[in-house]
Amino acid sequence: GQQLNQSPQSMFIQEGEDVSMNCTSSSIFNTWLWYKQDPGEGPVLLIALYKAGELTSNGRLTAQFGITRKDSFLNISASIPSDVGIYFCAGHYTSGGSNYKLTFGKGTLLTVNP
Amino acid sequence: DAGVTQSPTHLIKTRGQHVTLRCSPISGHKSVSWYQQVLGQGPQFIFQYYEKEERGRGNFPDRFSARQFPNYSSELNVNALLLGDSALYLCASSPVQETQYFGPGTRLLVL
Repeated sequence: GQQLNQSPQSMFIQEGEDVSMNCTSSSIFNTWLWYKQDPGEGPVLLIALYKAGELTSNGRLTAQFGITRKDSFLNISASIPSDVGIYFCAGHYTSGGSNYKLTFGKGTLLTVNP
Repeated sequence: DAGVTQSPTHLIKTRGQHVTLRCSPISGHKSVSWYQQVLGQGPQFIFQYYEKEERGRGNFPDRFSARQFPNYSSELNVNALLLGDSALYLCASSPVQETQYFGPGTRLLVL
């Protein structure tokens, strides 16, 4: 089955620094999504990517859909304390309408030191 | 606009019992998916429903079942609970099947 490798597992950075995390897959995806999850909460959608090579920004966040369709990265610029949380990548692949699930990575735990 | 709502927020059950979790999607969304998230892991897909029909099922035993109602709300049922069923159960709704918006989850503890 499809598996996502997300790295790094955790990051500890100073406020103001830029952050980069990525996901790679053993197979291709049609859609890449990036979510942030705070403790005890559900994941919140940050960015959705629908086309290979697509580069999309949402405020200080920028994400790209790799041209091989097997990877994606998320960058956070000028981090602030409220960026703390777990970031998940998720991929979706549909072939003839037979697969509707999102496959998630294991998450990147981000800690920001004020 | 209200987001995805789930009830209850927390639940404690004992082994062998049955549980029903409920989800109301974002208004206008016709697709609902259920995920299980254990501590330290990403969510794992359980079911997806679209227009009241099951469109996908993950690798979960038959003790897990779900349904979607005419108003697009959904229930997840788990029978014969095991300790390993303790997890955060997440519901997600979507206008199209790829872009899914999650609710706050129901935290289930099985003793």
